[in-house]
Amino acid sequence: DTAVSQTPKYLVTQMGNDKSIKCEQNLGHDTMYWYKQDSKKFLKIMFSYNNKELIINETVPNRFSPKSPDKAHLNLHINSLELGDSAVYFCASSQDRGTDFTGNTIYFGEGSWLTVV
Amino acid sequence: RKEVEQDPGPFNVPEGATVAFNCTYSNSASQSFFWYRQDCRKEPKLLMSVYSSGNEDGRFTAQLNRASQYISLLIRDSKLSDSATYLCVVIVYSSASKIIFGSGTRLSIRP
Repeated sequence: DTAVSQTPKYLVTQMGNDKSIKCEQNLGHDTMYWYKQDSKKFLKIMFSYNNKELIINETVPNRFSPKSPDKAHLNLHINSLELGDSAVYFCASSQDRGTDFTGNTIYFGEGSWLTVV
Repeated sequence: RKEVEQDPGPFNVPEGATVAFNCTYSNSASQSFFWYRQDCRKEPKLLMSVYSSGNEDGRFTAQLNRASQYISLLIRDSKLSDSATYLCVVIVYSSASKIIFGSGTRLSIRP
């Protein structure tokens, strides 16, 4: 009964391919996120959704498109993958309202290791 | 200058030692502070919040120094299981609040 689950855990794909990472949370949280952690271990927010509505969209190439069919799911689709997209992608959720972070705990999924070759 | 900076380490200390590391932040609008722990090839998990007056949770003590804009984490009687990367997290409140993660300090406890 994992709180935030994401699939796949490992993904190796060729440049130019399109891939998706799925995420689901069973915590009843209204806010979900996608974070990217690169080889230097910087954890950067990419997107934040509150109740299926996009709240935060950091400077991310538009090849990355999040989709939230309902508040428990936030999937990430990546078009035309590039070598620089290789990273660990973490899905997360919290009780925060997206733009009103009060410091509630952020619960992360186990991460999806994406390698673009 | 990065908004949140941490010494990347690694800090390599013997079991039982006391170790401390700091995290500096540049935005004075920063209002909430946390320490997260990330084990190798795992996801980050909340270790503890950092309160203005300082707070303790077992062997872990967190402190906030608003004047100098840094937070610290002290680990006493370190255990092998404390080996991990410790991420400093700052929430900045302005027109829209923002969560910023530091790049982490790696700690390795040796027997």
